[in-house]
Amino acid sequence: NAGVTQTPKFRILKIGQSMTLQCTQDMNHNYMYWYRQDPGMGLKLIYYSVGAGITDKGEVPNGYNVSRSTTEDFPLRLELAAPSQTSVYFCASRGLPTRGPNSAEAFFGQGTRLTVV
Amino acid sequence: AQTVTQSQPEMSVQEAETVTLSCTYDTSESDYYLFWYKQPPSRQMILVIRQEAYKQQNATENRFSVNFQKAAKSFSLKISDSQLGDAAMYFCAYRREGETSGSRLTFGEGTQLTVNP
Repeated sequence: NAGVTQTPKFRILKIGQSMTLQCTQDMNHNYMYWYRQDPGMGLKLIYYSVGAGITDKGEVPNGYNVSRSTTEDFPLRLELAAPSQTSVYFCASRGLPTRGPNSAEAFFGQGTRLTVV
Repeated sequence: AQTVTQSQPEMSVQEAETVTLSCTYDTSESDYYLFWYKQPPSRQMILVIRQEAYKQQNATENRFSVNFQKAAKSFSLKISDSQLGDAAMYFCAYRREGETSGSRLTFGEGTQLTVNP
């Protein structure tokens, strides 16, 4: 079972470069999320999506863009990399039901460690 | 906005002993879930235990149990018979229920648990 797959696992970027972090899930989950985790800190929500074609900002969206053209994929785009974007990035997905005692839990990918120098 | 606070950046416990990790949260909602996640050095986010706000009974999962005090907005994790494999970063997390919020998770800043042999 693949679950949530993130690529790449590690990346070093130079200031001003751009890149896309890929996230794919094979569980047909409607909800998908991007979080970042700075050293010694908890995860903060960047963007989320409740279905194909629908995205919304989280707590820390500046400097990032997302798209959700399919249920499976939720890429995160960094247009002009800055040192402040050095972090570990996690993608997560969640299925149904979304409420009640049997509400589904989130599945996390293994993370992408990004360093901007 | 919801906030989650973990006031213990680091904790240590002797193998086979019991340790309690603290978490407080702030919300005006009545329908929510609380979670404890474990993050070992592999970075994988592992769900340890969850608590539904409408349930008065504290959740338990084998050696892990919680003390949920809704009025005090407190949610502590007790690990009994600590094992070396329990050493990790532990995150407390909150999830508000409801479609408009995207069912996002809000995380505390984490507690690094060391288990001494």
